[in-house]
Amino acid sequence: NAGVTQTPKFQVLKTGQSMTLQCAQDMNHEYMSWYRQDPGMGLRLIHYSVGAGITDQGEVPNGYNVSRSTTEDFPLRLLSAAPSQTSVYFCASRHTNTEAFFGQGTRLTVV
Amino acid sequence: TQLLEQSPQFLSIQEGENLTVYCNSSSVFSSLQWYRQEPGEGPVLLVTVVTGGEVKKLKRLTFQFGDARKDSSLHITAAQPGDTGLYLCAGKNTGNQFYFGTGTSLTVIP
Repeated sequence: NAGVTQTPKFQVLKTGQSMTLQCAQDMNHEYMSWYRQDPGMGLRLIHYSVGAGITDQGEVPNGYNVSRSTTEDFPLRLLSAAPSQTSVYFCASRHTNTEAFFGQGTRLTVV
Repeated sequence: TQLLEQSPQFLSIQEGENLTVYCNSSSVFSSLQWYRQEPGEGPVLLVTVVTGGEVKKLKRLTFQFGDARKDSSLHITAAQPGDTGLYLCAGKNTGNQFYFGTGTSLTVIP
């Protein structure tokens, strides 16, 4: 089983560039989330979705957009990258009351 | 706002020693999970605790959920080098979202 697949694994952006981090899951999970992980901060919730067509903001949503047009896909968009967005990004999916399954992460550097 | 604080942030111990990691919050959670993360990978679930005062054991790991469901602890007995990793707690709030703690990086030296 593929589980949760994130692409790309590594990315370097220049300040002001835009890009989309892709996340796909094949487990028919209704919940999908994006987190960023920074040293000493654990995982912080950026945006989440409880089903296709429904998204909501987490702890640190500024600078990021999401959409959920299908159950499988939950892309994260950076419209104008900033150095403060340098981080490791994780996508996760789950059923309502079960464990979260995480992708392998995308390491993003904004210069 | 960081809802969950973990301590210690870093821990380096010798193989065979015991250790305890704490996860504290001022918020009440309907459930709490512990994850372990290895370098270059996403977190993987270890356990979920739901009831206040609940204790769960997973081999040498013992997890406890506080009576008021605001805090939790992870105790490892006779640590092994394979226990090395980042340990994260995550609490589920009334909005059914999980918020993660700050993490504890454990290194077990052979």
